[in-house]
Amino acid sequence: GENVEQHPSTLSVQEGDSAVIKCTYSDSASNYFPWYKQELGKGPQLIIDIRSNVGEKKDQRIAVTLNKTAKHFSLHITETQPEDSAVYFCAAVNQAGTALIFGKGTTLSVSS
Amino acid sequence: EAQVTQNPRYLITVTGKKLTVTCSQNMNHEYMSWYRQDPGLGLRQIYYSMNVEVTDKGDVPEGYKVSRKEKRNFPLILESPSPNQTSLYFCASSYLVQGDNEQFFGPGTRLTVL
Repeated sequence: GENVEQHPSTLSVQEGDSAVIKCTYSDSASNYFPWYKQELGKGPQLIIDIRSNVGEKKDQRIAVTLNKTAKHFSLHITETQPEDSAVYFCAAVNQAGTALIFGKGTTLSVSS
Repeated sequence: EAQVTQNPRYLITVTGKKLTVTCSQNMNHEYMSWYRQDPGLGLRQIYYSMNVEVTDKGDVPEGYKVSRKEKRNFPLILESPSPNQTSLYFCASSYLVQGDNEQFFGPGTRLTVL
């Protein structure tokens, strides 16, 4: 079945710097790759997603890139702010389309 | 307000005492799912449902039951909880029955089994 690896597990940056989180997936049939942000004490919330027919997608300070050949996708956050501090999860839909398979998460800390 | 609600938010219980965690969504979503979140393991799917009376196992279903008698509700049942079920549980729902669309998560239920 699908397996998603996420790196790094923790990431500390200074306010204003960029942050990059990388994920690889195993099932070449996967076609949907969302990113979720989880703030302390809350459930995960979708921040951006990308489908396999697109190589890059951007939404203000957040961008996601997808390399289907290499089976990896990345989250890029520019001009980081303290409120970006959270746990970020990447995910890929399984082949049956019945579930999201999540990476283990990245704890991002943005210090001012 | 469109949301997924879970109850209770916190629960401490003892081994073997049956419990139910409720989940309800007000968005008329077809698909609902339960996940558990453990440190270093991320989110793992327990069970999912594509519609009323249609449920199926996820990756870690052992020790859990679910039911989907109404579209809006998807309770998680632990018939005989054990300490290894101590975890943070999330319910999620989405509009489409496929997994390739946004899932909306509830606030979580932190369960401790002594």
